Amino acid sequence: DGGITQSPKYLFRKEGQNVTLSCEQNLNHDAMYWYRQDPGQGLRLIYYSQIVNDFQKGDIAEGYSVSREKKESFPLTVTSAQKNPTAFYLCASSIPGLSGNTIYFGEGSWLTVV
Amino acid sequence: EDQVTQSPEALRLQEGESSSLNCSYTVSGLRGLFWYRQDPGKGPEFLFTLYSAGEEKEKERLKATLTKKESFLHITAPKPEDSATYLCAEANQAGTALIFGKGTTLSVSS
Repeated sequence: DGGITQSPKYLFRKEGQNVTLSCEQNLNHDAMYWYRQDPGQGLRLIYYSQIVNDFQKGDIAEGYSVSREKKESFPLTVTSAQKNPTAFYLCASSIPGLSGNTIYFGEGSWLTVV
Repeated sequence: EDQVTQSPEALRLQEGESSSLNCSYTVSGLRGLFWYRQDPGKGPEFLFTLYSAGEEKEKERLKATLTKKESFLHITAPKPEDSATYLCAEANQAGTALIFGKGTTLSVSS
């Protein structure tokens, strides 16, 4: 079945460590996104990529990094510079240009700093 | 600044009690207004996209409508399985990403 796979579902990080969240899609979508969700805050955009080897910062990119070496993959690294990383992270994909197109989400990854 | 505001934050209904959720948006030249359903601990599930004032879309007990400044998600005769958080989003001015509201958490009791 086509879809978006995020892994791991649950991840624990010690302070000062970098962690990488995986996102893979087999929908043949060019555009991919990372959002962060905190209780009562809704979804906030971290990074997005419209095409391979290109990506742009969203509203809360500080402390995060991404790469887009393959069309299917858009991993997110949460660096030690991110001061409050505990959150629910959502990856999404779409055909570029939202007019007329739908953005689909993965099942999310929970990151907890211990 | 582009902004999406949803109300109410939480809504409790009895089974069969119809109601509406509101979403106000600010992006001029709307490039799409999106509704999603999110169950606890899950990713959002796409419901509807609306593009022009007057447009309506339906799915089972849900109907989404759009005016020039806001969108409504009407829930007719809800059932307990309709309990979820409903998210509204609009495309940003460049049409490259979605801006989300904080959501309305709906609880339907039998």
